[in-house]
Amino acid sequence: DIQMTQSPSTVSASVGDRVTITCRASQSIGDRLAWYQQKPGKAPKVLIYQASNLQSGVPSRFRGSGSGTEFTLTISSLQPDDFATYYCQQYHDYSPYTFGQGTRLEIK
Amino acid sequence: QLQLQESGPGLVKPSETLSLTCTVSGGSISGSSYYWGWIRQPPGKGLEWIGTIYYSGTTYYNPSLNSRITISVDTSKNQFSLRLYSVTAADTGVYYCIRGSGYYPSWGQGNLVTVSS
Repeated sequence: DIQMTQSPSTVSASVGDRVTITCRASQSIGDRLAWYQQKPGKAPKVLIYQASNLQSGVPSRFRGSGSGTEFTLTISSLQPDDFATYYCQQYHDYSPYTFGQGTRLEIK
Repeated sequence: QLQLQESGPGLVKPSETLSLTCTVSGGSISGSSYYWGWIRQPPGKGLEWIGTIYYSGTTYYNPSLNSRITISVDTSKNQFSLRLYSVTAADTGVYYCIRGSGYYPSWGQGNLVTVSS
């Protein structure tokens, strides 16, 4: 399996802050990486696909970057609606597709 | 607009079979270029990819579950299904049906399944 490791596990921030979450793959996955946002009791919502492509309808303050084994999700100016848990997912290798353990973004 | 809706029992006994169905509306499984599948989430934990199926019947399963799962599709009903055999408490969680092609823009609302006697 390709292991996906996110850091940090928890981040505390304030409205208006810039936040960066990192996701590292145990082997190269090219640009086959997606980022999701999940709120309590809800299904995850895709924010970014193919490492840096913004999903339709997602605000432009979300930006994805990286390739190979290291990726980042940056939220440029936090809004109240952004406090949630974020997951990365690799879809380079079917055996199996794997997710990071999640990063909880909480209000400072 | 595409909608996915899971259905199935909320409680399953240990060693029995978990069966869930996902009904698709607002789009057709047949002839679609997307994969349809399942992801689960144990309470308070992260996401686990279970497997996917193409409308033609081609499947991809998580090797950790491969010996215990079957994903099937019924294009006449516009549904696909998950069967997970010989369940234990570790299979407790929310099961989501999904559509995508590697990444997943479309999700059902989730179906909580508890494995308990």
